[in-house]
Amino acid sequence: DAGVIQSPRHEVTEMGQEVTLRCKPISGHNSLFWYRQTMMRGLELLIYFNNNVPIDDSGMPEDRFSAKMPNASFSTLKIQPSEPRDSAVYFCASSATGGLPNEQFFGPGTRLTVL
Amino acid sequence: AQKVTQAQTEISVVEKEDVTLDCVYETRDTTYYLFWYKQPPSGELVFLIRRNSFDEQNEISGRYSWNFQKSTSSFNFTITASQVVDSAVYFCALSEAKQGAQKLVFGQGTRLTINP
Repeated sequence: DAGVIQSPRHEVTEMGQEVTLRCKPISGHNSLFWYRQTMMRGLELLIYFNNNVPIDDSGMPEDRFSAKMPNASFSTLKIQPSEPRDSAVYFCASSATGGLPNEQFFGPGTRLTVL
Repeated sequence: AQKVTQAQTEISVVEKEDVTLDCVYETRDTTYYLFWYKQPPSGELVFLIRRNSFDEQNEISGRYSWNFQKSTSSFNFTITASQVVDSAVYFCALSEAKQGAQKLVFGQGTRLTINP
């Protein structure tokens, strides 16, 4: 069974450009999470969805960031316009919501570099 | 607010030594879940264990063991007879224990290096 799939694995862009990160959760999982990892701030939860509905987006840094989950098998995280301080590894994770917190399965991450 | 502290930023030991990674947490919840994840050099995060706050029994899985002490708000992780493949960054995390609550709060991580 395939794990969480993220694309692209690496993205290099220039400041001001729009960046879209993609995630396909594990089939059957109904919770999806977006995390950001930096040296300075560690692992931070940006937003998570249950059954395609955003539940907590308090970690989204600012209006430049937006996330969508149009269906159970796909989610996007968009940054527009991007800034150098957005450079980080972005992880997507999914879990099966059985009521209580379950283990989250992480994708390989997207390493974003904004020049 | 929930908080997880991993005071050890980096640990370096020689292969076959035992090593303990510390994790201290803060929460006002009476019920909660604790997790450990491993991030090897390849970058992905790998789930190791989940423990709920009602279960203070220590757990052993092969060379890995976990010591949960609710009285001191600690959930420490010990690797016995360490191996080079154990080299990774290890994260402790905390979650509320209520329906639909999935948010994980991570510690800063401990970078463990096992030298041959």
